[in-house]
Amino acid sequence: KAGVTQTPRYLIKTRGQQVTLSCSPISGHRSVSWYQQTPGQGLQFLFEYFSETQRNKGNFPGRFSGRQFSNSRSEMNVSTLELGDSALYLCASSSDRAVAGELFFGEGSRLTVL
Amino acid sequence: AQSVTQLGSHVSVSEGALVLLRCNYSSSVPPYLFWYVQYPNQGLQLLLKYTSAATLVKGINGFEAEFKKSETSFHLTKPSAHMSDAAEYFCAVSQNTGFQKLVFGTGTRLLVSP
Repeated sequence: KAGVTQTPRYLIKTRGQQVTLSCSPISGHRSVSWYQQTPGQGLQFLFEYFSETQRNKGNFPGRFSGRQFSNSRSEMNVSTLELGDSALYLCASSSDRAVAGELFFGEGSRLTVL
Repeated sequence: AQSVTQLGSHVSVSEGALVLLRCNYSSSVPPYLFWYVQYPNQGLQLLLKYTSAATLVKGINGFEAEFKKSETSFHLTKPSAHMSDAAEYFCAVSQNTGFQKLVFGTGTRLLVSP
């Protein structure tokens, strides 16, 4: 069974640009969550999607958005990039039978903003 | 609000020695508790979880953790460290809401010397 796949793995952008990151969950998993990992703030929850609906959102500005498609694949978008958006963005999926917090993570997309 | 505190950003042990990584939680409701491990340039992998069943929880790679409500602790242990255990370990908490949102601790980097 394939794991959670995130693309691209690495990318470099400049301030003011926007970026879209993609996540393909484990087959059959309908919940997809996104986390930001930085040395200063650690791991922070961005949002969770389930069956194309956002059902939970973290404390991030509106520049951070996401969506989920009917095949459960998810994308997150960051507009008007700032230097502080440089981070590892992790996607995680979970099955309907999983307890809250039991997640399978992808390897992440490392974003560098110059 | 829920939170977890991990004592010690770095822990160094010798190969074969006991591993003890500390985690204390704060939650107004019975929590679900987790330990995740992150190897360099990889995503997070679930080591073990506590979901209010047995208080002593066994996980992968010989790790275990004990839930102590009186101490609000969920420390991670392994009797004998291996070089391959060198990684960053994160304690996390969630609520039994059905929503997949984790609140992570700041992480503890485990260093294992020969």
